[in-house]
Amino acid sequence: DAKTTQPNSMESNEEEPVHLPCNHSTISGTDYIHWYRQLPSQGPEYVIHGLTSNVNNRMASLAIAEDRKSSTLILHRATLRDAAVYYCILRPNTGNQFYFGTGTSLTVIP
Amino acid sequence: EAGVAQSPRYKIIEKRQSVAFWCNPISGHATLYWYQQILGQGPKLLIQFQNNGVVDDSQLPKDRFSAERLKGVDSTLKIQPAKLEDSAVYLCASSPGLGLLDTQYFGPGTRLTVL
Repeated sequence: DAKTTQPNSMESNEEEPVHLPCNHSTISGTDYIHWYRQLPSQGPEYVIHGLTSNVNNRMASLAIAEDRKSSTLILHRATLRDAAVYYCILRPNTGNQFYFGTGTSLTVIP
Repeated sequence: EAGVAQSPRYKIIEKRQSVAFWCNPISGHATLYWYQQILGQGPKLLIQFQNNGVVDDSQLPKDRFSAERLKGVDSTLKIQPAKLEDSAVYLCASSPGLGLLDTQYFGPGTRLTVL
């Protein structure tokens, strides 16, 4: 299994940036880094993915370390609707497994 | 576009009973996934279909769980007989294909309670 390590929980004040870290020291050269989030009582939803370069989309930014052993999901302005469990997932180049860990539970404080 | 539909949303059964869950993926999506999510854990893949063929069922407890995807569209997941440890949310997801960059779209899940 491609393993990732994330903090169990984090807090952020509303309208402030949030940096969610993920360690993946055993990543292989062809593994993509995906982030999904799961709002309460819903299925997970896609947030962003990347391979080597930093990525931006309308939801978030993904910063990938030069050695690819870690990455950070950045929410530029947290809102109450961003309160969710955030999963960092490695997608291996071979096989089809998509391994979710336990994720980081983000609390946004008004 | 319509999302992934699942039914029922909630189910309560007693141990040793049987239960079935239904999933209708996004139209045109070739790949369908069933996940089990136990409280406090991330989803765990049970089985993956591409069209109506099984791609991966290595983590499906085949002595009690079965799944099918007839005609490559809808899918059903069955548990027979259920055990207490099967209490979980069962999530269905679909994606256009099998590519590394394919986004998985998840349904709302079915919450199963086994008493």
